[in-house]
Amino acid sequence: DVKVTQSSRYLVKRTGEKVFLECVQDMDHENMFWYRQDPGLGLRLIYFSYDVKMKEKGDIPEGYSVSREKKERFSLILESASTNQTSMYLCASSLIVYRGTYEQYFGPGTRLTVT
Amino acid sequence: GDSVTQMEGPVTLSEEAFLTINCTYTATGYPSLFWYVQYPGEGLQLLLKATKADDKGSNKGFEATYRKETTSFHLEKGSVQVSDSAVYFCALRGNNRLAFGKGNQVVVIP
Repeated sequence: DVKVTQSSRYLVKRTGEKVFLECVQDMDHENMFWYRQDPGLGLRLIYFSYDVKMKEKGDIPEGYSVSREKKERFSLILESASTNQTSMYLCASSLIVYRGTYEQYFGPGTRLTVT
Repeated sequence: GDSVTQMEGPVTLSEEAFLTINCTYTATGYPSLFWYVQYPGEGLQLLLKATKADDKGSNKGFEATYRKETTSFHLEKGSVQVSDSAVYFCALRGNNRLAFGKGNQVVVIP
């Protein structure tokens, strides 16, 4: 079974702190994604990566950056956390299109609160 | 661009009732379509999928048929249980990414 793990289930940070959210997948997937989930807004894509050291902006990249130094690990970085970044953050991974039907596998989520 | 529209608002129904959640899409070509489910406190899990027109995806008693003529992929279950209470998301595969609907909260009352 595909397994996607996230470093924390719950996180509380102060405004202005630098925050790292880590995601690891164990199925040799090329693609990895970071979403945030907010009530009434559904899932919104922040960034995704289709290969090591490659990244592309999603729909709401402002205030975030990412890092992918190894294929299995994708990190989301909040350079200076703000209260409007309080949210549920979901990581996902998938095979690249030509290797499969492209369903995404999700981690359990990190609920981040910025005070 | 590619997009998915789900019916507005939560769905509350009694145990053993029939469930329908509407999903329509806008896309170029013939995208793969998915339904994901999110149980309380968890991430999303793939529920079912269909990769071409007229395909029917099914899993755990849920079904959805890929209707190209109406650009729809409605989710149905004949007899829901309390354990089906969750948030359901419709999605389509766009350009190397998924486009998700906003999700529907389903609450099943005993």
